[in-house]
Amino acid sequence: DAGVIQSPRHEVTEMGQEVTLRCKPISGHDYLFWYRQTMMRGLELLIYFNNNVPIDDSGMPEDRFSAKMPNASFSTLKIQPSEPRDSAVYFCASSYGTPRNEQFFGPGTRLTVL
Amino acid sequence: GQQVMQIPQYQHVQEGEDFTTYCNSSTTLSNIQWYKQRPGGHPVFLIQLVKSGEVKKQKRLTFQFGEAKKNSSLHITATQTTDVGTYFCAGPYLANNRLAFGKGNQVVVIP
Repeated sequence: DAGVIQSPRHEVTEMGQEVTLRCKPISGHDYLFWYRQTMMRGLELLIYFNNNVPIDDSGMPEDRFSAKMPNASFSTLKIQPSEPRDSAVYFCASSYGTPRNEQFFGPGTRLTVL
Repeated sequence: GQQVMQIPQYQHVQEGEDFTTYCNSSTTLSNIQWYKQRPGGHPVFLIQLVKSGEVKKQKRLTFQFGEAKKNSSLHITATQTTDVGTYFCAGPYLANNRLAFGKGNQVVVIP
């Protein structure tokens, strides 16, 4: 298995631009999570899906952030418009069975907003 | 709120020495998970502990779950440069049905 796949690995953009991060979970996993990691705030859960349905989006910072999961093998996290404070590493993770089980993380997308 | 706290946040360890990192919860946990993130990498699952007082070993790593299931520890013996990274604990909370990650213990190994 290829593991969780994320793209792009690095993204540099200017303030105000739209950014779309992509994730392919491990085949067969029914939970997908989006995290943001910064030095100041550590690893924060933004949103998670179960069987493609958003379950908890309480961690989404504000309306500029949106996430979708159109099918079991693909999810996107969109930031529009982006701001410098959005600069962080964004991880996607997946798990099977319950949201409390072992999570498999993707390699992350390092986002820099200038 | 419900969270897991990790202490210390940073550690400098001399190669060859032992060290321990701790994880504490404000509430009882059904299980505790440990992850390791290498510099520039992503968190990787190490182990899960479920039973009260449980102890598990992975080579030089010893994981322990407290009797009250509110704390856990990771002890590493004879530290090697490959042990460098950030160690996270994570506990599931029934209230919101998801894992809560601690802020991690960043370990630097001094050769």
